[in-house]
Amino acid sequence: DADVTQTPRNRITKTGKRIMLECSQTKGHDRMYWYRQDPGLGLRLIYYSFDVKDINKGEISDGYSVSRQAQAKFSLSLESAIPNQTALYFCATSKGQGAVEKLFFGSGTQLSVL
Amino acid sequence: AQSVAQPEDQVNVAEGNPLTVKCTYSVSGNPYLFWYVQYPNRGLQFLLKYITGDNLVKGSYGFEAEFNKSQTSFHLKKPSALVSDSALYFCAVSLAGTALIFGKGTTLSVSS
Repeated sequence: DADVTQTPRNRITKTGKRIMLECSQTKGHDRMYWYRQDPGLGLRLIYYSFDVKDINKGEISDGYSVSRQAQAKFSLSLESAIPNQTALYFCATSKGQGAVEKLFFGSGTQLSVL
Repeated sequence: AQSVAQPEDQVNVAEGNPLTVKCTYSVSGNPYLFWYVQYPNRGLQFLLKYITGDNLVKGSYGFEAEFNKSQTSFHLKKPSALVSDSALYFCAVSLAGTALIFGKGTTLSVSS
């Protein structure tokens, strides 16, 4: 089945370390997104990409960077991780053209920064 | 900039009773509105959307939502709640050409 796959599923790292979260999709969608989920704060948009050459900051992009390596791959990096970046991270995709419609989410990456 | 408010952190309802989960939005333009559900240890799943047309939108699992432009609301409803509806519900809004912005979520608890 076409899917949105996030790796790793869980990661524990230390303050100051560089870490990359990866997302790949087999849905053939042009648009990809990174969100983080924190209890009581809901989902907040970090970065999004409407095609391979397009990268846009979201609500909370500070401390994060992204790379759209191909239509199917969208990676999120934390250059120097800090404890308040501990969260559940979701990658999502949607079809291209026009208004954003239905999002398809990966299973999430639980990141803990000690 | 667009934003979404879900005024209730938690909604409790007895099985068989109707349920409502509230959502209000703020955008400068015509909104696209969505509801998603998250079951424990799972990613988010799409329930329904409003883009244009009929103000009453029907979605998955018997849920529906009503778009009210004058009140800038998009409340999620179901006539008869099931215990299996217990989950975390998110409202989201976007404008043409922008990504979805989500609310903080409302935990729905349905008791038997």
